[in-house]
Amino acid sequence: KAGVTQTPRYLIKTRGQQVTLSCSPISGHRSVSWYQQTPGQGLQFLFEYFSETQRNKGNFPGRFSGRQFSNSRSEMNVSTLELGDSALYLCASSLGIGASGNTIYFGEGSWLTVV
Amino acid sequence: GESVGLHLPTLSVQEGDNSIINCAYSNSASDYFIWYKQESGKGPQFIIDIRSNMDKRQGQRVTVLLNKTVKHLSLQIAATQPGDSAVYFCAENAADKLIFGTGTRLQVFP
Repeated sequence: KAGVTQTPRYLIKTRGQQVTLSCSPISGHRSVSWYQQTPGQGLQFLFEYFSETQRNKGNFPGRFSGRQFSNSRSEMNVSTLELGDSALYLCASSLGIGASGNTIYFGEGSWLTVV
Repeated sequence: GESVGLHLPTLSVQEGDNSIINCAYSNSASDYFIWYKQESGKGPQFIIDIRSNMDKRQGQRVTVLLNKTVKHLSLQIAATQPGDSAVYFCAENAADKLIFGTGTRLQVFP
């Protein structure tokens, strides 16, 4: 069974640009969540989607957005990129919604560098 | 590969010894806890989980202990191997999202 797949794996963007990252969950998983990982802040929750609806949201500005398609695939977008957005963006999937007793599997991440 | 968290607490152990990685969590209402392993350049990999109504759970070579009184979680790895070298994160379920600890780097030397 294929794991969580994220594309692209690496990308470099310029300040002010926008970026879209893609995630394909494990087959049969309907929940997709996104996390940002940086050396300074660690792993932080961005948002969770289930059945094409955002179900939960972390404490990030509105420049960070996402969506989920009917096949459970998800994308996240960051607009007006700032240097501080440089991070590893991790997508995770699970069968059910939320994090209580629901095993969450992570992809390999997308490394974003903003210059 | 790339690395996140360059200045993490580090635990160095000799191959074959047991490792104990500790974690303090913040929310007394958290009902579910997970340990993840992250190797350089990879995403976090699920190791073991435990619900708050338990105080111990064992897996293959790993044991998680939960002490709700002091809000403390530990991961014990038996007979540590070079392949166990990685950063280990604890995570708690708070408000239906995972809150991660800062991580501990485990280094295994021969």
